Amino acid sequence: QSVLTQPPSVSGAPGQRVTISCTGSSSNIGAGYDVHWYQQLPGTAPKLLIYGNSNRPSGVPDRFSGSKSGTSASLAITGLQAEDEADYYCQSYDSSLFYVVFGGGTKLTVL
Amino acid sequence: QVQLVQSGAEVKKPGASVKVSCKASGYTFTGYYMHWVRQAPGQGLEWMGWINPNSGGTNYAQKFQGRVTMTRDTSISTAYMELSRLRSDDTAVYYCARNRGSSTSNWFDPWGQGTLVTVSS
Repeated sequence: QSVLTQPPSVSGAPGQRVTISCTGSSSNIGAGYDVHWYQQLPGTAPKLLIYGNSNRPSGVPDRFSGSKSGTSASLAITGLQAEDEADYYCQSYDSSLFYVVFGGGTKLTVL
Repeated sequence: QVQLVQSGAEVKKPGASVKVSCKASGYTFTGYYMHWVRQAPGQGLEWMGWINPNSGGTNYAQKFQGRVTMTRDTSISTAYMELSRLRSDDTAVYYCARNRGSSTSNWFDPWGQGTLVTVSS
């Protein structure tokens, strides 16, 4: 059972927009701690996608965007492409556990 | 470029220990904490702990305390993660990842390529 809750799967057709939610609590996201997102392509290591809620590292397309509100955060992907098919994880910090926490991951399928 | 290269796959028997290495290049090794994260087959990411390569200080997730030891060798810019008393449910890919950000807003970039540890009798 992950501290941060994500939907197990989402899907969308090429060109469409999808969002992935990450729901926490008052001891992590709701306490003001930042949320970060990773993309894990099949058989590879996770790769940083969004840091500090909404910042993109260089090289990440602007089709990817992040936001945070209250005890939740969201990752939005616009103009879906086949290469976006991957697992996506959110990550934050939890003040009751005193360490890093991850969401359970969301599998994105491009139809 | 910043790179983390991990040691190769391991097969261990229950009760044994495993030590995974993570060699850093392209940046000042002692300037960034190193974290370890594992991923069981078909499962999500699980944070294990971190080491401060400068001081050697560590912080482990409660689940692993008493079984995990994180060390480093600054002369060769390498971090190590040793897990003892292995069980079948320790079978996973183990990743090292460089810390970025502050103590309570930290993210991981880059990640090592991962090391598969299989625990089987």
